[in-house]
Amino acid sequence: GEDVEQSLFLSVREGDSSVINCTYTDSSSTYLYWYKQEPGAGLQLLTYIFSNMDMKQDQRLTVLLNKKDKHLSLRIADTQTGDSAIYFCAATDSWGKLQFGAGTQVVVTP
Amino acid sequence: EAGVAQSPRYKIIEKRQSVAFWCNPISGHATLYWYQQILGQGPKLLIQFQNNGVVDDSQLPKDRFSAERLKGVDSTLKIQPAKLEDSAVYLCASSSRTTSTDTQYFGPGTRLTVL
Repeated sequence: GEDVEQSLFLSVREGDSSVINCTYTDSSSTYLYWYKQEPGAGLQLLTYIFSNMDMKQDQRLTVLLNKKDKHLSLRIADTQTGDSAIYFCAATDSWGKLQFGAGTQVVVTP
Repeated sequence: EAGVAQSPRYKIIEKRQSVAFWCNPISGHATLYWYQQILGQGPKLLIQFQNNGVVDDSQLPKDRFSAERLKGVDSTLKIQPAKLEDSAVYLCASSSRTTSTDTQYFGPGTRLTVL
């Protein structure tokens, strides 16, 4: 089955760029997602990328997909304190089910 | 457009008690999901409904968990009897399946503490 892995923690200074990395195992994954979870809240969809794309940009967010290496990254430009949260990578498995990583806690320091 | 609604937001019970969670998906969304999110982990799918039928309940501990979506809209998830290891956030999500992305939208979750 699909296995999604992420680094657990990232500390970044306000104004710098953040890069969160994710790897997945199922080469048939069709869609890959990034969700944001703030304390006490549900998951907020940030962006997604289709597997036939290698990059998608949406305002401060850039998603890069290396399908050969099964590697996904999320870059947040000009990181703000409001970006402090847990970020989840998720990939559809061969059954179409969404498999989540354990989440990367991003802490933005002034 | 209103988002996915869940209640209650928090629940504290003792082990062996029963508990029920309610979810109202985004209007028009045919597919509804219940996830369990244990602290420090990503969400894990428990059950998926398409309208009022179960599509996937392979990860649902059926000896104690049950879920229903009788009219194809609201859904309830029940745990009876609860165990300590059921302490988690229970997330409901819905999707429209009208686009190829089938993007899931999540509610705020119910945080369950079993003592």
